[in-house]
Amino acid sequence: GEDVEQSLFLSVREGDSSVINCTYTDSSSTYLYWYKQEPGAGLQLLTYIFSNMDMKQDQRLTVLLNKKDKHLSLRIADTQTGDSAIYFCAELRGNNRLAFGKGNQVVVIP
Amino acid sequence: GAVVSQHPSWVICKSGTSVKIECRSLDFQATTMFWYRQFPKQSLMLMATSNEGSKATYEQGVEKDKFLINHASLTLSTLTVTSAHPEDSSFYICSARKGEPYGYTFGSGTRLTVV
Repeated sequence: GEDVEQSLFLSVREGDSSVINCTYTDSSSTYLYWYKQEPGAGLQLLTYIFSNMDMKQDQRLTVLLNKKDKHLSLRIADTQTGDSAIYFCAELRGNNRLAFGKGNQVVVIP
Repeated sequence: GAVVSQHPSWVICKSGTSVKIECRSLDFQATTMFWYRQFPKQSLMLMATSNEGSKATYEQGVEKDKFLINHASLTLSTLTVTSAHPEDSSFYICSARKGEPYGYTFGSGTRLTVV
């Protein structure tokens, strides 16, 4: 996970948009994922994007992928208090192993 | 869907005892499962890859004799922490991959506290 970079903390007001960024390292990664972890729980798959895509939208979630810069972002529209959690990006590397970022804690302020 | 069940959710044990954690894929078969360890406010660290019917593959620095992994069926992998010590206290999470587009599904994690 130490090769996948993420910023650490984001606070956002309820109703605003949140953007979380991630830089990955392996240009041959086929899939890139966003996971959500609530306190004391496992990881919940939020969305994923295949490496030949630039953008994917899934309801309030928009994933942007810049392969040239190896940059991945997750935008959460109309952020809700239930979105408060830690968000991890992950890349599926050639050895079929997931490499995680350090995580980004999102705190939604009512 | 792709559901992975992990049990127990939390366990407290005495130093020197062993603890077994189970990871089950409920609605799919998983020839490969993964075990992670997570320290507070940190990311997930892959400990080992559990392979059905064969030996687990451990990551560098993970003691295979301390963290015993058994993957006896296509739906069950177990992690046994042997002779547990307080430094083994952590959050352990398993995952399995059903196949695209599901990606990797994670169990709910086990909080191990060794006293």
